[in-house]
Amino acid sequence: GAGVSQTPSNKVTEKGKYVELRCDPISGHTALYWYRQSLGQGPEFLIYFQGTGAADDSGLPNDRFFAVRPEGSVSTLKIQRTERGDSAVYLCASSLRAGVGETQYFGPGTRLLVL
Amino acid sequence: QQQVKQSPQSLIVQKGGISIINCAYENTAFDYFPWYQQFPGKGPALLIAIRPDVSEKKEGRFTISFNKSAKQFSLHIMDSQPGDSATYFCAASIAGTASKLTFGTGTRLQVTL
Repeated sequence: GAGVSQTPSNKVTEKGKYVELRCDPISGHTALYWYRQSLGQGPEFLIYFQGTGAADDSGLPNDRFFAVRPEGSVSTLKIQRTERGDSAVYLCASSLRAGVGETQYFGPGTRLLVL
Repeated sequence: QQQVKQSPQSLIVQKGGISIINCAYENTAFDYFPWYQQFPGKGPALLIAIRPDVSEKKEGRFTISFNKSAKQFSLHIMDSQPGDSATYFCAASIAGTASKLTFGTGTRLQVTL
């Protein structure tokens, strides 16, 4: 079956611009996570959705970052006034449900480069 | 503050050898410890995971050893193969936090012929 898909696969933008990154989770998965992976580092948690609501957004670095999941399936991570430090791979993961022990399935990521 | 420390940063092992990657954690509330494998250009994929009520879990050539008192856990890859060459991440999560994962910094494994 189809895994988690993310679009675009690569995004180059200029400092100060607005970007949107899309995640299509595995069908039927209720939990959706966003992580950010900087070069040579492990993924860092950004935000988690259970259904349509953001259940935990404690990892968002500042108010330039925002994510939505309006219908409980596709999610969009939005970054306003991008900065060079936002350059990273943004990973999306989904799991059947939230909870310890539930496997998170990751997408291939969107590689964001802010010039 | 890095809550999960991983070592070594990189590892070279000959084909057929044993690869060992270590992780240590600080937060005693962690109660789920997965290992993820990541190939270049791909997202991480779950390899094997353990809960703290057991000291060892084996799946094929992959074994997790867990030492609760030392707050350490390790991944052993037996009979390492060139196809195992990838970056490995340990991670941890806390019950009640919807499994948001805290990852280590990763180990780049290269298995040579």
